[in-house]
Amino acid sequence: DTAVSQTPKYLVTQMGNDKSIKCEQNLGHDTMYWYKQDSKKFLKIMFSYNNKELIINETVPNRFSPKSPDKAHLNLHINSLELGDSAVYFCASSQGGARADTQYFGPGTRLTVL
Amino acid sequence: AQSVTQPDIHITVSEGASLELRCNYSYGATPYLFWYVQSPGQGLQLLLKYFSGDTLVQGIKGFEAEFKRSQSSFNLRKPSVHWSDAAEYFCANEKLTFGTGTRLTIIP
Repeated sequence: DTAVSQTPKYLVTQMGNDKSIKCEQNLGHDTMYWYKQDSKKFLKIMFSYNNKELIINETVPNRFSPKSPDKAHLNLHINSLELGDSAVYFCASSQGGARADTQYFGPGTRLTVL
Repeated sequence: AQSVTQPDIHITVSEGASLELRCNYSYGATPYLFWYVQSPGQGLQLLLKYFSGDTLVQGIKGFEAEFKRSQSSFNLRKPSVHWSDAAEYFCANEKLTFGTGTRLTIIP
């Protein structure tokens, strides 16, 4: 009964490959997010979707493409992976997109690009 | 741009001692501020948040934080830490901007 789940937990791949990370939340929330946490633990928002619509799209290379098939799922597809993409990627969800909403985070996906 | 700053990269305290983790914000109006904890290998969990009202906010796991407009601060406190509090702590604002984190080490 995990609230926010991500698959896979670990992903090791070669430069130039294309990979996807999946996220699902069973909290009934309307808003989902993707964050990137680098090796220095710096956490940066990448994307946010509210009811399947993109509402936040930070300065992220267009090799990264989020997809939300329904409001319970937000997947992240990465094309032509680069060494600098190595990081931990966190999915999160919140009830709405309001300023005071609490975000619930998934356990993270550690991506290593060789 | 709105930002949050955590001046301390790493803090070490003895088990049972009190704790204060610093967070400063830059914003003209009253910000919405959050403290999250990240245990090793885990995602972030919300400890507490402030958006209006009483400036002393109580959170989970015995944590509290005080919003001080005069100092542009939202410091996290706990009167007596437990070994299980060892983790990374992040301050954040409503713009989804996170501080760089403070790693807390507990010594016996």
